[in-house]
Amino acid sequence: DTGVSQDPRHKITKRGQNVTFRCDPISEHNRLYWYRQTLGQGPEFLTYFQNEAQLEKSRLLSDRFSAERPKGSFSTLEIQRTEQGDSAMYLCASTGQGRDTQYFGPGTRLTVL
Amino acid sequence: SQKIEQNSEALNIQEGKTATLTCNYTNYSPAYLQWYRQDPGRGPVFLLLIRENEKEKRKERLKVTFDTTLKQSLFHITASQPADSATYLCALDVRGGADGLTFGKGTHLIIQP
Repeated sequence: DTGVSQDPRHKITKRGQNVTFRCDPISEHNRLYWYRQTLGQGPEFLTYFQNEAQLEKSRLLSDRFSAERPKGSFSTLEIQRTEQGDSAMYLCASTGQGRDTQYFGPGTRLTVL
Repeated sequence: SQKIEQNSEALNIQEGKTATLTCNYTNYSPAYLQWYRQDPGRGPVFLLLIRENEKEKRKERLKVTFDTTLKQSLFHITASQPADSATYLCALDVRGGADGLTFGKGTHLIIQP
C-alpha cells in the first residue's frame, strides 16, 4: 500500500496524559498536513510542513499541540496534558510539489477520558 | 466573515437518479476547489479538483461545476448507486492562505435502493 498511513488508528487516554501520533506520507510527497475533525464537522487545518520545515503553525489549537518532521519523511503530532475537548479524529494528508490534491490517511481517533 | 456552506441536512436520492450537492462560499478567493468523499470512521478520499479558471470537470459518473461569480460549486453524481452513500466534503484552497484546505461541514448523501 503506497498511501498515507497513520499510527495508531485508535488511542484512548486519560485526561492529563501526553499522546503522540505518527504519519507516514506518500513517499514522493514533500508537503505534509495535519487536520483535526470533530463529529459533524469538516476537517480543520492545524499545521503543515514542506520537507522538514514547518511553514505554518499558527493554527495549532494551543501550545499543548506540537508537530515535527525531523527528516522530511514521517511526522509526529504531540498533544501534551490532554483534555476531554481534544477528543477527535486527527488526520494527516500529503501532497507533491505545488498547491495540489491532498491525499489523506485513515486518521487516528483520540478519546480522552 | 468567511463561510463555506453545504447542505446541512441529509440528502435522500433514489437509486438511478442524479444527486446534486451544493457548496457555497463567501469572502474567499479560492485558487482551487476540491470535492472529497468520506465514509464513517475513515479519512477523506479525493474525488475531483477544479481550478478557478475552469467551469466544469468530469470523471466517470461525477461532474463538478465552479462559478466564481456566484461563489458556488455543484457536484453531481449521475446514475447514483447505494454504494455512493457517504458524506461529501467541499474544500477550498485559498490563495494567500496558510496552504491548508478549508472544508465545509459536508453533506450526508443517502441513495435509496
